[in-house]
Amino acid sequence: QVQLQQSGPGLVKPSQTLSLTCAISGDSVSSNIVSWNWIRQSPSRGLEWLGMTYYRSKWFNDYAPSVEGRITIKADRSRNHISLQLNSVTPEDTAVYFCTRVRALSRYIDLWGRGTLVTVSS
Amino acid sequence: QSVLTQPPSVSAAPGQKVTISCSGSNYNIGNTYVSWYQQLPGTAPKLLIYDNNERPSGIPDRFSGSKSGTSATLDITGLQTGDEADYYCGTWDSSLTVWVFGGGTKLTVL
Repeated sequence: QVQLQQSGPGLVKPSQTLSLTCAISGDSVSSNIVSWNWIRQSPSRGLEWLGMTYYRSKWFNDYAPSVEGRITIKADRSRNHISLQLNSVTPEDTAVYFCTRVRALSRYIDLWGRGTLVTVSS
Repeated sequence: QSVLTQPPSVSAAPGQKVTISCSGSNYNIGNTYVSWYQQLPGTAPKLLIYDNNERPSGIPDRFSGSKSGTSATLDITGLQTGDEADYYCGTWDSSLTVWVFGGGTKLTVL
């Protein structure tokens, strides 16, 4: 059974960097039939896709324009996990962050992590 | 404001049927598959329907999906109190080059 185990701090100060990790069990981060995505959810913005990383003979990343320039998603093959870094956070980045797996061909999210509430506050 | 439009809420009695709509454009629903997600209170969303009308293993056939043009629909028959949740449609938008979602529909089983 594939599982996504998220970890990271629940409180980040404004202007600092939000960092989360998603450990993958039961699948390989290097699988060439899926992508690994971060999505966040807040009352004001609903579900918002942030970006993805995927392996197709080499690593690729795509990011949402709304966070491009502040976001980095990386895959670590040795640890079989992905990470999210979001720089220069503001209170508007307060949300529940989900690590997800997306089936590449049809593009549907077939697996969600449990979510991590990250609050941006001093 | 969400790219995909859903009604904020629907309600019906146990045993009845509800329909949740999801409206988009030719850049999203109109040119690719739609998926639906159920989010029970305090939990992560869960895949309910993929490829417009396919159910993952374990999803009862009370849940069904369809798509026509730039709109998609989720039908739930034989409503149960355990179906009370938020339901979201989602797909890829080829113009915005992002995943887009509906604003969610809260289902109340009266």
